[in-house]
Amino acid sequence: DIQMTQSPSSLSASVGDRVTITCRASQSVSIYLNWYLHKPGKAPKLLIFAASRLESGVPSRFSGSGSGTDFTLTISSLQPEDFATYYCQQSYGTPRTFGGGTTVDIK
Amino acid sequence: QVQVVQSGAEVKKPGASVKISCKASGYTFTSYYLNWVRQAPGQGLEWMGRINPGVGSTSYAQKLQGRVTMTSDTSTSTVYMELSSLRSEDTAVYYCARVKGPDWQDASDSWGQGTVVTVSS
Repeated sequence: DIQMTQSPSSLSASVGDRVTITCRASQSVSIYLNWYLHKPGKAPKLLIFAASRLESGVPSRFSGSGSGTDFTLTISSLQPEDFATYYCQQSYGTPRTFGGGTTVDIK
Repeated sequence: QVQVVQSGAEVKKPGASVKISCKASGYTFTSYYLNWVRQAPGQGLEWMGRINPGVGSTSYAQKLQGRVTMTSDTSTSTVYMELSSLRSEDTAVYYCARVKGPDWQDASDSWGQGTVVTVSS
């Protein structure tokens, strides 16, 4: 199985901050890397697919980059509705493994 | 618009089975894979498997092989996920989610509301 490792596991930030979350794969997944936002009691929401493609309707403050084994999700200016847990997921191999998650909370 | 609606919460005893439904609408049901993902209390997301609703082909996570079965009913645009020999570790919120496309578009873009499954004696 391809292991996905996210860092940090949690971070505290303020509204307006620039936030960066990283995701590392145990082997190359090319650009087959997705990012989701998940809030308690809600369904996950797709933010980024194919490493850098912004899902329709997602604000442009979210961006993704990377290929191979190293990927980054950046929130350029954190908004109140962005406090949540973020997951990366590879769609290169089966099983489609998720990272352990990064929780972004209010500083 | 695309909608994925799941069946309601379940409480089961250890050793029993649970079958969750996921009804899709707003798109051509047979043209998109559906994933199943679960989240146990305090844990992260876990991919369980996927189904091609058009032909019924499936791919399961190795750790669930032999206990999970995913099926589809094209007449009602519904997929089902059955998990057998339930244990306490299967207590989780279960989600179905449509896959937006093949290859580089392989990502879950429309999710059901989640189904809480509690396994308790």
